[in-house]
Order: sequence, then structure tokens, then C-alpha cells
Amino acid sequence: EIQLQESGPGLVKPSQSLSLTCSVTGYTITSGYDWSWIRKFPGNKMEWMGYIRYSGSTNYNPSLKSRISITRDTSKNQFFLQLNSVTTEDTATYYCVRYQVYYGFDYWGQGVMVTVSS
Amino acid sequence: DIQMTQSPSLLSASVGDRVTLNCKASQNINKNLNWYQQKLGEAPKLLIYYTNNLQTGIPSRFSGSGSGTDYSLTISSLQPEDVATYFCFQYNSGNTFGPGTKLELK
Repeated sequence: EIQLQESGPGLVKPSQSLSLTCSVTGYTITSGYDWSWIRKFPGNKMEWMGYIRYSGSTNYNPSLKSRISITRDTSKNQFFLQLNSVTTEDTATYYCVRYQVYYGFDYWGQGVMVTVSS
Repeated sequence: DIQMTQSPSLLSASVGDRVTLNCKASQNINKNLNWYQQKLGEAPKLLIYYTNNLQTGIPSRFSGSGSGTDYSLTISSLQPEDVATYFCFQYNSGNTFGPGTKLELK
């Protein structure tokens, strides 16, 4: 069974960097698919943040392009989100998700809530 | 950028009702649209891909339709477990979620 699990700090100070890890079991992230990050803000708005493709290439939401980096550790079957210079507006629940264009986001982590506050 | 709107934002319906949720894109998205269901406290779940294809394991009371800029998700007979927020998502140009429709029982 494919499972994704987010981990990382639940509280980040403004201007610092937010770093999250997604651990994947049941599927090797270099075998296929786009490994994505999505966030849901208080009030329900959902935002696609970006992905790292199985090949290692990345694609980011233009609105975040200057602040976001998605990387991976293939030996651990993990991928990572780094979001720099966070503000309170980055407070959200962050999900890691498997994605294939046309077929959609089919496997989701349970989500991790991150609060940006001093 | 393609903007997505959903209507209504809140829908109250009774068990057994046929309900339709709408999603509108700011430009033609060529049927490149998915639907997701999110129940309280859970991660979202894929219901429909490419406008009208039912994801494996999803009950057949869910269906999708649409073309161009206008799309809909229909539940043929509402069940109590369908209480959730429903999001559409376009991937035709960039990747954009709609703001969601919250479905509750009357």
C-alpha cells in the first residue's frame, strides 16, 4: 500500500524557513509520478505549491517561485519542501501528494499543520 | 492565470436528494479538471479525473460532466457520508483549485 507521511516543525517564526519532509512507502519516487506539495489555508483555500518529478526535474507555482525549493533523497525515498522568508500568511496545513497529470492527486499524506508566529 | 469559481459556496440538501455542484473556469480548460472531496479532519480524496472519469473505489452515485469553461459534479442520491467540502482543480494551464463547495445535510 502506498503511504505518504509529512513531518516537520509545527511552528516557524516569521522570516525564517519552513522545512518539511515527506516519507513515501510502497512506491519508489524515482519510478514515476510527480511528488507534490499542496497547502490548505485557514478558511479553506487550497494551493498547489509545486512538485519534483520522478526524473528529478521540478515545477513550482509562479507565485512562490522565488521562495520555494523541492528536493529529494532517493536513498531514503523522501522528498522535501523548503519555503523561505515565511510570513503569517504561510500558516496552513501542508500535504504531500502523488500526482500524475490527467489522473490527478491520488495519494495524500495526512497533512501537517504549520503555524507561522513569533 | 486561470481562475476557478465554484457555486454554490454552501449547499444544504436532504438524504436521497440529487445534488449538483458547479465549477467555472476563467477560460477554456479542455476538460482538464479533477474533483476532490475533503471530509472534516481528513486529507482530500480524488473522486473524478479528466472531467468524468470515476476514480477506483468511488461510489457510482458520483459523476462529473462539462466542457469548455463549465463543469459539474453530481451526486445522484445524497448519503450522510457525503457531507464534505468539494474542490475542483484545473491542470490545463498551471494548476489551480477552486474555492470549494461545502455540502451539508438539511
